[in-house]
Formats: sequence, C-alpha cells, structure tokens
Amino acid sequence: QVQLVQSGAEVKRPGASVKVSCKASGYTFTSYYIHWIRQAPGQGLEWMAVINPTTGSTSFAQNFQGRATMTRDTSTNTVYVELSSLRSGDTALYYCARGTQVVPFYYDYWGQGALVTVSS
Amino acid sequence: DIQMTQSPSSLSASVGDRVTITCRASRSISVYLNWYQHKPGKAPNLLIYAASHLHSGVPSRFTGSGSGTDFTLTISGLRPEDFATYYCQQSYSNPPTFGQGTQLEI
Repeated sequence: QVQLVQSGAEVKRPGASVKVSCKASGYTFTSYYIHWIRQAPGQGLEWMAVINPTTGSTSFAQNFQGRATMTRDTSTNTVYVELSSLRSGDTALYYCARGTQVVPFYYDYWGQGALVTVSS
Repeated sequence: DIQMTQSPSSLSASVGDRVTITCRASRSISVYLNWYQHKPGKAPNLLIYAASHLHSGVPSRFTGSGSGTDFTLTISGLRPEDFATYYCQQSYSNPPTFGQGTQLEI
C-alpha cells in the first residue's frame, strides 16, 4: 500500500536550519510529484514547494524562495526539504503529500506530519 | 496567487444533518478544485477532486459541485466521524492555494 513516512519532530533555535525527510513506498516513486505543505498552530494549510522525482526540478512558494531547498534520493525513494534561517513563525506541522502529475492534480496520500518547533 | 475563500469559517450541526460548505476562488479555476477533510493529529484526507469526483473509498454522502469561481461541498446525513475541518484547494495555477478551512462542530 502507498505510504509516505516522515522523519520525527525537531526543535531548533531561531536562525538554525532543519531538514525533514519523506520516504515513499508502495508505488513507482517517479510517477508522482511530492509536495510540502505546512500548518502553523491554529492556522490553515500553506503550500510550500514541489519536486519532480524524475528530474529533481523544484518549485517554491514565494515565501520560501531562497530559504528552502528540496532534494530527492531515487535509490531510497526519499524526498527532503531543508528550511534555513528559521524563525518562530516557521513553527508548524510539515506534511509531504503525493501529487498526481496530470492536471487537475490533487493530493491523494499524505505523510503523517513532522512537527518543527522553533524556539530560543 | 489565486485566493480561496471558504464560508462559513465554522459550522455547528447535529448527527443526521445535511450541511453545505462554500468555496469561492478569486478568479475562474474551471473545475480544478479539491476538498480535504482534516482531523487533529492526522493527515488530511482527500474527499473530492476536480470539483465533483469522489475519491476512492470516500462515502457517497460527500458530494461536490461547482465550476468557475463558486464551489460547494455537501455532506448528507452527518455521522459522528464527519466532525472535522474541511479545506478546499485549487490546482488551476501555481502556487496551489487552500481555503482557510471550515470547522464542522457538533
């Protein structure tokens, strides 16, 4: 069965970086894009970025351009997102989600979420 | 960016009720609209894609409709497990954007 398993919770200081992983299984890794979506406490869902696992090409929301990088490892079917220069507003649950490659796309499977807490 | 506005922000209902949630896009998105159910501590679940298509395994009491800028999610015969937050999301243009959510409460 399709699964997206994310790394565990992280606590970071302001200004630090965090790297969250998302390991995919149960399907052909290169057949779907992987998106990152976060939810700050008490807030809604915010799209961050997407990666094409076949080519490694990425696209980021304007809020994260220059501060986030996204990579993939096709040998382990794992996608990583790294966010630098962390601030308190980055405290959130970070989800990876599988997105269909055809349009209209949708997120049919999600990871369990990784809580990132930024605190001094 | 396309702005997605849901109404109401919260809604109180009872088991067995029929409820409707509305989502409005800031410009036309054709039928590129998805609905998700989100419960605390769990990952969101896809309910409806492309405005009106029921995702596999989702009960038929969930229905979606609309096109252009105005969309609705209707839940007929509310069950206890339906009390959650519901989000719409457009996939018409980058970046994908979500509505602010509708919290459905008992």
